[in-house]
Amino acid sequence: DTEVTQTPKHLVMGMTNKKSLKCEQHMGHRAMYWYKQKAKKPPELMFVYSYEKLSINESVPSRFSPECPNSSLLNLHLHALQPEDSALYLCASSQVVLRGQILNVAEQFFGPGTRLTVL
Amino acid sequence: KQEVTQIPAALSVPEGENLVLNCSFTDSAIYNLQWFRQDPGKGLTSLLLIQSSQREQTSGRLNASLDKSSGRSTLYIAASQPGDSATYLCAVRKAGTALIFGKGTTLSVSS
Repeated sequence: DTEVTQTPKHLVMGMTNKKSLKCEQHMGHRAMYWYKQKAKKPPELMFVYSYEKLSINESVPSRFSPECPNSSLLNLHLHALQPEDSALYLCASSQVVLRGQILNVAEQFFGPGTRLTVL
Repeated sequence: KQEVTQIPAALSVPEGENLVLNCSFTDSAIYNLQWFRQDPGKGLTSLLLIQSSQREQTSGRLNASLDKSSGRSTLYIAASQPGDSATYLCAVRKAGTALIFGKGTTLSVSS
């Protein structure tokens, strides 16, 4: 099973709403990622979790709050978003390989994404 | 800072043609390189992963090569089909870091 699932597929929310995006994988991967992708642009990294700990935060505004409750699940909590936050939000996962002191990652698998519209 | 460039930005070919997509990166100290396919509004599908020690990888009609010293990778698609129409993204990773993507090549194969 090389599948990463994301729910919901589509989400429309107002600027005062609180919502959550969910991501799940059962491949035993210990690295999970959130990306944001605007139309006709490549994905932009937001967060990386390695062994359920936040390892990279690409200076993302605090209105986006990630959570990794266990090794299979990754959430992205949304609050007080702006219309410019409308985008496709992609989750990904990969295995982690220890090489000396550096944690390297192998092939990365992406989910189908959540299309978010902020009104 | 690593930069990844993909040429051409868009490509239109008739069905049956063999074609090459190009990817270049500025820092040759990469851990691996991954090619993805993305259909409009969908997630990314991993096509091929090449480790820094490898020269090429093949999967079906796809062949990806890597020349780390010159900072280049190519994705070769044999006997193209309309179903191959999509955006193809190249991404590189340095040790201990996340993927850095190129802007992609949008391929259109006409029947």
